Amino acid sequence: NAGVTQTPKFQVLKTGQSMTLQCAQDMNHNSMYWYRQDPGMGLRLIYYSASEGTTDKGEVPNGYNVSRLNKREFSLRLESAAPSQTSVYFCASSDWTGANEKLFFGSGTQLSVL
Amino acid sequence: KQEVTQIPAALSVPEGENLVLNCSFTDSAIYNLQWFRQDPGKGLTSLLLIQSSQREQTSGRLNASLDKSSGRSTLYIAASQPGDSATYLCAVRQGAQKLVFGQGTRLTINP
Repeated sequence: NAGVTQTPKFQVLKTGQSMTLQCAQDMNHNSMYWYRQDPGMGLRLIYYSASEGTTDKGEVPNGYNVSRLNKREFSLRLESAAPSQTSVYFCASSDWTGANEKLFFGSGTQLSVL
Repeated sequence: KQEVTQIPAALSVPEGENLVLNCSFTDSAIYNLQWFRQDPGKGLTSLLLIQSSQREQTSGRLNASLDKSSGRSTLYIAASQPGDSATYLCAVRQGAQKLVFGQGTRLTINP
């Protein structure tokens, strides 16, 4: 089982460049998430999608946009990258059913903005 | 605002020891608490999930406990092995889309 697949694994951008991080899940989950992980900060939620066709802001949405293309795919776009967006980005999915929900994570994208 | 704290940030023990990782949270209004494992350069893998109405969950050599009233959870690892070396994170679920993570404990098991 592939689970949650993220691409690319590594990316280096110059300040002001744009890029899209791709995420796909094959578990038929309704909910998908984008997190960033920074040293000493834990994981912070950027955006989430509770179901196909809906997206909502998380804790740190500024500088990002998302698209829930279909039930499988959830992309994260940086329109004008900034050094503060240097981080490791994780996509996750779950089948939210209340208290018994588990998250499944992709392997991450390490992004450096110079 | 919910805050989740894991102490210590790093822990190194010899192989074979039993050990406890700690997680504390400030708001007891949670749906559940999860423990995750993260290997270097990899994503997170869910180890155990404890619902708010439960006191503990077990999986193999792992046992997680939850005390909502005191805002604490522990992850007990029995007979530690070098393969247990990883970063362990706890996270509390407060709502449908609100999952708050701790910063993790980096565990090293020395052969």
